[in-house]
Amino acid sequence: AQSVTQLGSHVSVSEGALVLLRCNYSSSVPPYLFWYVQYPNQGLQLLLKYTSAATLVKGINGFEAEFKKSETSFHLTKPSAHMSDAAEYFCAVSESTSGTYKYIFGTGTRLKVLA
Amino acid sequence: NAGVTQTPKFQVLKTGQSMTLQCAQDMNHNSMYWYRQDPGMGLRLIYYSASEGTTDKGEVPNGYNVSRLNKREFSLRLESAAPSQTSVYFCASRLQGAPNQPQHFGDGTRLSIL
Repeated sequence: AQSVTQLGSHVSVSEGALVLLRCNYSSSVPPYLFWYVQYPNQGLQLLLKYTSAATLVKGINGFEAEFKKSETSFHLTKPSAHMSDAAEYFCAVSESTSGTYKYIFGTGTRLKVLA
Repeated sequence: NAGVTQTPKFQVLKTGQSMTLQCAQDMNHNSMYWYRQDPGMGLRLIYYSASEGTTDKGEVPNGYNVSRLNKREFSLRLESAAPSQTSVYFCASRLQGAPNQPQHFGDGTRLSIL
């Protein structure tokens, strides 16, 4: 079975600083990877997804992620943090079972942005 | 432009009571999912439905049942609620097809079992 590991359950950055949220995956086949964001009292929203067309994936709100097969990683970055980026972020991988795709989520990283 | 709608948004139950959480999507998606979210554990799949008329167990199905009423609606039932089922429940849907199709989520149902 596939899995994802998010290192760091809490990350704090200053406003304007680089955001780096880590995700490593475990997969024996080419993975289909996603990053989602969850704001307080809301559901998850898609930030970006890896489609295998390019290793650097751009998402919404200035976020991007780089797929590195050699490191089995799909880390999320943003050059300059904004207060509105404070949220919880989830990495996920999709897995096929009899032709149906299920998603395996990481345990999440809560991002705090300091003024 | 509703997307995925979950009702109710909040609920408090006593141990042993039953309840059905409702989910409906208006995106003509084939697949629907129920998750629970607990602190530090991410989202765990309870049940899913690949298409109308089919349901399958996920990672944590014990204590729950589901019904795929039609293509739009997928309900989750707790027959005899237990305090361990206190959680935030999310419904999601997805268009079948390419493996990189994303899931779309509702805003959740916050359930407390006393």
